[in-house]
Amino acid sequence: DADVTQTPRNRITKTGKRIMLECSQTKGHDRMYWYRQDPGLGLRLIYYSFDVKDINKGEISDGYSVSRQAQAKFSLSLESAIPNQTALYFCATGGGGTDTQYFGPGTRLTVL
Amino acid sequence: GDSVTQMEGPVTLSEEAFLTINCTYTATGYPSLFWYVQYPGEGLQLLLKATKADDKGSNKGFEATYRKETTSFHLEKGSVQVSDSAVYFCALVSGGYNKLIFGAGTRLAVHP
Repeated sequence: DADVTQTPRNRITKTGKRIMLECSQTKGHDRMYWYRQDPGLGLRLIYYSFDVKDINKGEISDGYSVSRQAQAKFSLSLESAIPNQTALYFCATGGGGTDTQYFGPGTRLTVL
Repeated sequence: GDSVTQMEGPVTLSEEAFLTINCTYTATGYPSLFWYVQYPGEGLQLLLKATKADDKGSNKGFEATYRKETTSFHLEKGSVQVSDSAVYFCALVSGGYNKLIFGAGTRLAVHP
């Protein structure tokens, strides 16, 4: 089984809809991250969390919110989706005394 | 702020050719440096890393050396294979939360 899972893997929605992307990890890591990937821009950090009570905004948090329901679960929400939020979204985890991050398979989101 | 610049792609090579993908960085202090690889339809996975100046990271025939004097971490492989076709991201870790700063990514296509 994969260490970091994301659901859904693909989602098509309409402008104005609320969307939640979910991430779960079995690595026992404290740190979790949400990134967005756009062509030619690499990955940009949306939110990150060190534990359930520690949530921080990243480089591009506007229009997004997150919830750390448990050490192993970190959800990303788009309260009112807009077309320029069409992108590939990745969840990642880190911890265990190393600065390496481990990525999920990604969620491809299309906002029409 | 911290940043990573890598050569634009796509890079197209024949099998067994020599590969270099350039990466330079700007950072405060001496961050750990990474190369991540994204195969088609998959998430990112760590390819190699280096944590201090003059360290050489290596994996699967790929190598990169942490050059403090030129602030570079160029990726090299002596003989590429078709299976190396992917997008390669250079990254550095930034700040106390081990946030990753990514370059824009370089797409590599290897032809038989």
